[in-house]
Amino acid sequence: DQQVKQNSPSLSVQEGRISILNCDYTNSMFDYFLWYKKYPAEGPTFLISISSIKDKNEDGRFTVFLNKSAKHLSLHIVPSQPGDSAVYFCAASAKETSGSRLTFGEGTQLTVNP
Amino acid sequence: DVKVTQSSRYLVKRTGEKVFLECVQDMDHENMFWYRQDPGLGLRLIYFSYDVKMKEKGDIPEGYSVSREKKERFSLILESASTNQTSMYLCASTSWGLGGNTIYFGEGSWLTVV
Repeated sequence: DQQVKQNSPSLSVQEGRISILNCDYTNSMFDYFLWYKKYPAEGPTFLISISSIKDKNEDGRFTVFLNKSAKHLSLHIVPSQPGDSAVYFCAASAKETSGSRLTFGEGTQLTVNP
Repeated sequence: DVKVTQSSRYLVKRTGEKVFLECVQDMDHENMFWYRQDPGLGLRLIYFSYDVKMKEKGDIPEGYSVSREKKERFSLILESASTNQTSMYLCASTSWGLGGNTIYFGEGSWLTVV
């Protein structure tokens, strides 16, 4: 039972263009959502998060949008840079487990071409 | 800077061997986790611990056990390694109530079982 789903295993974009990574979830108890970035042979690093009381959070080139009614979130990267090439994981947690376990999606491999 | 250290980066073990993966964190975090990452499956939670000597099963605990004798150290044990346990193993830690964005991952341990 995959509670967090990233339907696109890979995405390729040109440098300078927008990258949009999508994530869907099924558990209505999830109230905190995160994106992690992972380079090969390294552990994931935190990128950006959003609470369910918001519908948008922005940090520099990265913006996360949350549509609670559709149980959908997306990560926008503008402009995309070759150094953004990595696997991006969407993750979610529920309030009663705050600071505790995360449920991850399958990941999307982003490739930004120079 | 928070540091989560996984002592073994690359291991090759034989089927049936007992395998220990060690993880140490230096931020006095209560919670520690073991995930495994497999292509197309994302990060799946094996076990977690919210206190010394406490452990909880994650989503895929079969074939694994854990040990938390000291707050800073969380060990993953494969009692009898099998080829389907070939994977990248990731340790993480966090504190209660700080939210998912303070979950810190180690660099990962690549285990190959032959």
